[in-house]
Amino acid sequence: GDSVTQMEGPVTLSEEAFLTINCTYTATGYPSLFWYVQYPGEGLQLLLKATKADDKGSNKGFEATYRKETTSFHLEKGSVQVSDSAVYFCALTVYNQGGKLIFGQGTELSVKP
Amino acid sequence: EADIYQTPRYLVIGTGKKITLECSQTMGHDKMYWYQQDPGMELHLIHYSYGVNSTEKGDLSSESTVSRIRTEHFPLTLESARPSHTSQYLCASSFNEADTQYFGPGTRLTVL
Repeated sequence: GDSVTQMEGPVTLSEEAFLTINCTYTATGYPSLFWYVQYPGEGLQLLLKATKADDKGSNKGFEATYRKETTSFHLEKGSVQVSDSAVYFCALTVYNQGGKLIFGQGTELSVKP
Repeated sequence: EADIYQTPRYLVIGTGKKITLECSQTMGHDKMYWYQQDPGMELHLIHYSYGVNSTEKGDLSSESTVSRIRTEHFPLTLESARPSHTSQYLCASSFNEADTQYFGPGTRLTVL
């Protein structure tokens, strides 16, 4: 079945450090890929998405590129801030499968000043 | 900003009570979803709907039920709450399959 595997957390970084959170997927169809972020006590917010191979999603300094050859969608940011502390979820959805999102297990990021 | 709302945000109740978690959206989306988020953070789909009078069970078995009488409203009901139902429940909606899903703020349910 379809699945998403994320790098395990928690990840602790100092402010202005480089961030990478790895995400790989398996899918029977052609998925759309997403990164969602969850701040403490809140629901999920879409961070970025990509719908076809080689697409790059970007938002708020975060980037991820849809790599079909390696079935990956790694999240990167060049310089993290304390306000980026949150839980990050990689997810996929495949058309004609009810539209359900399949999530990775989440990666908790903590950024220290 | 997404216009999807959930009430209550927090609920603490005793075992055996009937509860309804409300979810409404003002975006006119046909597709709506309920996810359960366990304390380990993982999210699992428990119900979804393609539109009015359409409801389907998701991947994770749940004792809850849902209804979709109006496009904008997708409530979830537990007839008899148990401690095993303690979790966070997140509602979401989208325009089409494979489109971005917009999430509500969630309801954190604790059953004593």
